[in-house]
Amino acid sequence: QKEVEQDPGPLSVPEGAIVSLNCTYSNSAFQYFMWYRQYSRKGPELLMYTYSSGNKEDGRFTAQVDKSSKYISLFIRDSQPSDSATYLCAMNISPGTYKYIFGTGTRLKVLA
Amino acid sequence: EAGVAQSPRYKIIEKRQSVAFWCNPISGHATLYWYQQILGQGPKLLIQFQNNGVVDDSQLPKDRFSAERLKGVDSTLKIQPAKLEDSAVYLCASSIGLEYNEQFFGPGTRLTVL
Repeated sequence: QKEVEQDPGPLSVPEGAIVSLNCTYSNSAFQYFMWYRQYSRKGPELLMYTYSSGNKEDGRFTAQVDKSSKYISLFIRDSQPSDSATYLCAMNISPGTYKYIFGTGTRLKVLA
Repeated sequence: EAGVAQSPRYKIIEKRQSVAFWCNPISGHATLYWYQQILGQGPKLLIQFQNNGVVDDSQLPKDRFSAERLKGVDSTLKIQPAKLEDSAVYLCASSIGLEYNEQFFGPGTRLTVL
């Protein structure tokens, strides 16, 4: 079993839809959870960073962590064609001590 | 603020040849990472430097891959000799320090081994 599982997609949604992207993980020691956005032929850029359980909101983006279920989500409200990209989840036990583990990424297409 | 710079952006080589990639991190960032991203997969850490010292190279295939970060700034990653399965995007990232989770990625070098 992979440490981090993420559906590769592609996920196609109409403009304005609410998008839900998810990752599951197996290692209960993970405490730091990140979401990266990666446009085609570009490097990943950090979108959201959450420590432990709970929700975090930033504009149209909301990150949720449910440690009891080992499940994290990224919600995108009012999705735009410019949101079309691959979304990678990443997690860490302790920065500096352990490395990030990335999911495989979910390709999202927002149709105009 | 300038981002992480990488060169070349693209490289095509024959198997068994050698190749080198260069990375210039964000100024003042002590920690530098090299990742390998195979098509359809997430980035996998190859090596992590703190200044000019290696923190983690457990996933670096040391029989063919080598990396250095002289003077704690720029870094080079070398593959010698290359295999077909080395075809991937090689990403460099940097962060302020080990204890910071936020990593800033460069655009990557896309390597094709024929």
